[in-house]
Amino acid sequence: DSGVTQTPKHLITATGQRVTLRCSPRSGDLSVYWYQQSLDQGLQFLIQYYNGEERAKGNILERFSAQQFPDLHSELNLSSLELGDSALYFCASSVGGVQQETQYFGPGTRLLVL
Amino acid sequence: AQSVTQLGSHVSVSEGALVLLRCNYSSSVPPYLFWYVQYPNQGLQLLLKYTSAATLVKGINGFEAEFKKSETSFHLTKPSAHMSDAAEYFCAVRGGADGLTFGKGTHLIIQP
Repeated sequence: DSGVTQTPKHLITATGQRVTLRCSPRSGDLSVYWYQQSLDQGLQFLIQYYNGEERAKGNILERFSAQQFPDLHSELNLSSLELGDSALYFCASSVGGVQQETQYFGPGTRLLVL
Repeated sequence: AQSVTQLGSHVSVSEGALVLLRCNYSSSVPPYLFWYVQYPNQGLQLLLKYTSAATLVKGINGFEAEFKKSETSFHLTKPSAHMSDAAEYFCAVRGGADGLTFGKGTHLIIQP
């Protein structure tokens, strides 16, 4: 158990809908990262937050957005969903967000768009 | 910018044999390198990481990796494979402000 929690575990929805994925980092970690794992694209970095502020952006679509709240939990919002958004979405956390730090991954949310 | 290439999407070894999973990286800045393991229906777990302290890095479960700058490689090895090592292995690099850049993964199969 990494200490990172993600809810829900599974999500099934329809095209055009909007969903919110939630992540609680390990106690004491200030940085949260979101990744997408799909068969086509593999594991891709989406976005990083540090202590409530966006720190880095990766291959995140404009239809996707994220935020980190004062209690440090983070939410990833996916809107106007398409079939291709079906994937496993991971959240990871680290203490300060610097390059050499270990990122601890949650169990993931499996999203299926029908 | 950085990238990772993992040679071999599937590697099959016999139980007790040497495990060698290959990873080559590209980075415009001195890289930090990681190996993660993913068991079915689970998240990623860190096996080991290179942070420039030592070129030979020992990790959990008997795995180790050697950073070779001249070859831009960070191959993962284990002297003797165990059935419980069957999983997906990912090499990743972090060379800048972005998150981890992952390779496509290598599925390790252990033959009894």
